[in-house]
This record gives sequence, structure tokens and C-alpha cells, in this order.
Amino acid sequence: DAKTTQPPSMDCAEGRAANLPCNHSTISGNEYVYWYRQIHSQGPQYIIHGLKNNETNEMASLIITEDRKSSTLILPHATLRDTAVYYCIVRHQGAQKLVFGQGTRLTINP
Amino acid sequence: DGGITQSPKYLFRKEGQNVTLSCEQNLNHDAMYWYRQDPGQGLRLIYYSQIVNDFQKGDIAEGYSVSREKKESFPLTVTSAQKNPTAFYLCASSFSGTGPYEQYFGPGTRLTVT
Repeated sequence: DAKTTQPPSMDCAEGRAANLPCNHSTISGNEYVYWYRQIHSQGPQYIIHGLKNNETNEMASLIITEDRKSSTLILPHATLRDTAVYYCIVRHQGAQKLVFGQGTRLTINP
Repeated sequence: DGGITQSPKYLFRKEGQNVTLSCEQNLNHDAMYWYRQDPGQGLRLIYYSQIVNDFQKGDIAEGYSVSREKKESFPLTVTSAQKNPTAFYLCASSFSGTGPYEQYFGPGTRLTVT
């Protein structure tokens, strides 16, 4: 699975959009981009995944660049409950494991 | 109420004792996984199972054992052979096959061995 690079930490004001970047320059054609988040001392929570098209669900939007070498997770109206570590994971279709890196520690400030 | 349950939330054991962590799911998922997380680190795969009565080693299986006798259950035993058993243990499940199926995680069990 391709390696991902994320900033170690970010801050965002409550009510604003939080944009979390992820670099995956070695991604191959059959690898998906997944985003999970982990609130302190809880299990990771699935957010969204995509292959090459932009995706949106009730939690977030995922924007993948045309060359697929990077992506951005957007939380449109961040709340204090969105404070967590966010993991960007690249995973081959059908692969069994998720490889978690260090993630981005997002802090939402009041 | 569907989901994955892990019990207990906190577990304390003396060194040299085996301990079994419970994981149950009612999502009708075929595949189940065990991960370990150390402080400030990402998750590492211990074992996974794609179907009942079958399981495979992950990246750090030494000192651990599992069984998969029922679709809903995937217990993990931390044996006395595991050199650094103190960690946060997470169970996950998903549909199996070649689709991009997301994994759903339980709340975790924090094991402390002294």
C-alpha cells in the first residue's frame, strides 16, 4: 500500500471549515483513499473513502486531485466534537489490513 | 442496536498470566480483525479472519492467539509469551471480498500487565 504524509497537527475555529491535506504521491490505480478519525481513548471511526471522484457524505467531503497524488478531507462546519486525530490511509482494493500512520491531530477551538 | 462490542473496557493482569479479550459484532460481517495501538502510535494488525474457522497472522502475531468458531465472535488471547502486552486493543469487522469495504471498530480494551 502506498505511503501517506499528513501534517502532524492543525487548528481550526469552531464553525469554520476544516481542510485536512494528505499526500499519497505513490498511489497506484487500484488503491483507494480512506479517512478515519480517532477521538481520545476510543476506537477509530470511519469517515469516507474514494477512488478518483470527489465524494461527500453526512460527515465530510473528500476531494482527490486529478492525478490522485493528494487529497483533502473537508469538515464543512467544524464543532468541538470534531477534535480528534485524523488518519488518511491508502489501501489496495481487497487488502485486509488498514495501515495507520501518525495522522493529523486536529484541534477545534471555540 | 448494531455494532461491535468489546469487553471489558479496562483489564488488569499480572505478568505471566494469559488473558482473553472479547469481541462481538452483529453487523453480519464476514471479516474480523484485531489491532494493537501503543501510546502516540498508529494501529498495527495482529490477526484477521475472513471466514469462520479460518484466520491469518497479521504483522505482529507473536505472543497472541485467536479463534473464530462463530461469525459474530473473534476472541483474542494475549499469552504470557507476548513480551510487551500492555496496550490498547481494537477489534474491527467488515464485509469480505475484493470490494473497498470499510472496517468498523469497537470501543477498544485497554490492557495493563504488571
